Amino acid sequence: KQEVTQIPAALSVPEGENLVLNCSFTDSAIYNLQWFRQDPGKGLTSLLLIQSSQREQTSGRLNASLDKSSGRSTLYIAASQPGDSATYLCAVRGNTGKLIFGQGTTLQVKP
Amino acid sequence: NAGVMQNPRHLVRRRGQEARLRCSPMKGHSHVYWYRQLPEEGLKFMVYLQKENIIDESGMPKERFSAEFPKEGPSILRIQQVVRGDSAAYFCASSLLAGDNTGELFFGEGSRLTVL
Repeated sequence: KQEVTQIPAALSVPEGENLVLNCSFTDSAIYNLQWFRQDPGKGLTSLLLIQSSQREQTSGRLNASLDKSSGRSTLYIAASQPGDSATYLCAVRGNTGKLIFGQGTTLQVKP
Repeated sequence: NAGVMQNPRHLVRRRGQEARLRCSPMKGHSHVYWYRQLPEEGLKFMVYLQKENIIDESGMPKERFSAEFPKEGPSILRIQQVVRGDSAAYFCASSLLAGDNTGELFFGEGSRLTVL
């Protein structure tokens, strides 16, 4: 049974810092991994999708890496801004078709 | 190209009533997934449907919950005889290609159910 863990559960940093969010999964037989952002009371916004054959994806200040063999992914946020404050969710998709989510990392960027 | 549409966005029910949540997938998407997010918790998979078929309902409670995705119209998540523990945000997602597990899932804004 696939399990996804995100560390840390919460993170508070001053504006401008670079930061790394971690995601680990127990079953390496995945098709892809997605990082999402969720603002309080809102839906999920897809940030990055990494296919199992890829090592990383980049979008603006965000960079996500994937090491399938070790069951790990990281989301790197460069030059953090207060507007980056949100909960970041990692999810993996296996051959069942469904996404399995981690519990999320709640990020606060202080001005 | 509209995204995944869910309604109602907010729903209040008294214990014992029925709740019906609707989800219209993105245009051209034939796969729908329902997730539940309890307060302060992560998203838990409930059910995966294709048009007129339930593919995986391993996350659905055995009683009171049902889901459908008819040939025409939105997918419906139905909760009968609601209890306070059903209070949660219910999210719908859709994806494009049949059998394509590499595809991206797109989520709606969610329906927030409050049971009084």
